[in-house]
Amino acid sequence: DAKTTQPNSMESNEEEPVHLPCNHSTISGTDYIHWYRQLPSQGPEYVIHGLTSNVNNRMASLAIAEDRKSSTLILHRATLRDAAVYYCILLRNAGGTSYGKLTFGQGTILTVHP
Amino acid sequence: EAGVAQSPRYKIIEKRQSVAFWCNPISGHATLYWYQQILGQGPKLLIQFQNNGVVDDSQLPKDRFSAERLKGVDSTLKIQPAKLEDSAVYLCASRRTGVTEAFFGQGTRLTVV
Repeated sequence: DAKTTQPNSMESNEEEPVHLPCNHSTISGTDYIHWYRQLPSQGPEYVIHGLTSNVNNRMASLAIAEDRKSSTLILHRATLRDAAVYYCILLRNAGGTSYGKLTFGQGTILTVHP
Repeated sequence: EAGVAQSPRYKIIEKRQSVAFWCNPISGHATLYWYQQILGQGPKLLIQFQNNGVVDDSQLPKDRFSAERLKGVDSTLKIQPAKLEDSAVYLCASRRTGVTEAFFGQGTRLTVV
């Protein structure tokens, strides 16, 4: 399975942008890049996903490198409610044993200061 | 739409006892996952179902853990007998087929004493 690498922790100030990096140098052509976050004492929640092009939704933006070996989750204005563990995950959308497998790593702990 | 429902929310048992967790996924979601999350770690995939068939159970400790998904809807995860190291939050998630987001339940926090 292709693996992802994220920093253990990052800090930000409220209302400032946050860029959370993820490396996935062994990504395959059928792997989609998904981001989830987990607030304290809750199950993970979906944030955003993409394949090749940059993506935007109401929660965040996803910037994907041209070679797809890295990506960055962008929170445009961090709030205290964005403090969570952020996970970058590769989801394979093709046949084989890894199809649809959602494997979490350690993630990045984001601390937001008021 | 209604979310993924899990029960119970909390469970305390003694080691060597058995325990079962229940998950009701979102209607129409063919894929169902069970995860184990130990404090301070990311969720670890235990088993993945596609409808009522097992797609991946490579990390399920089959000597003590079992899971089933009858009729491709609800699922149960059982531990028998429990060990102290099974203390964790057990998360259930479901997803439609394709490249779609997964929805997670609130989890069951298991404490084995």
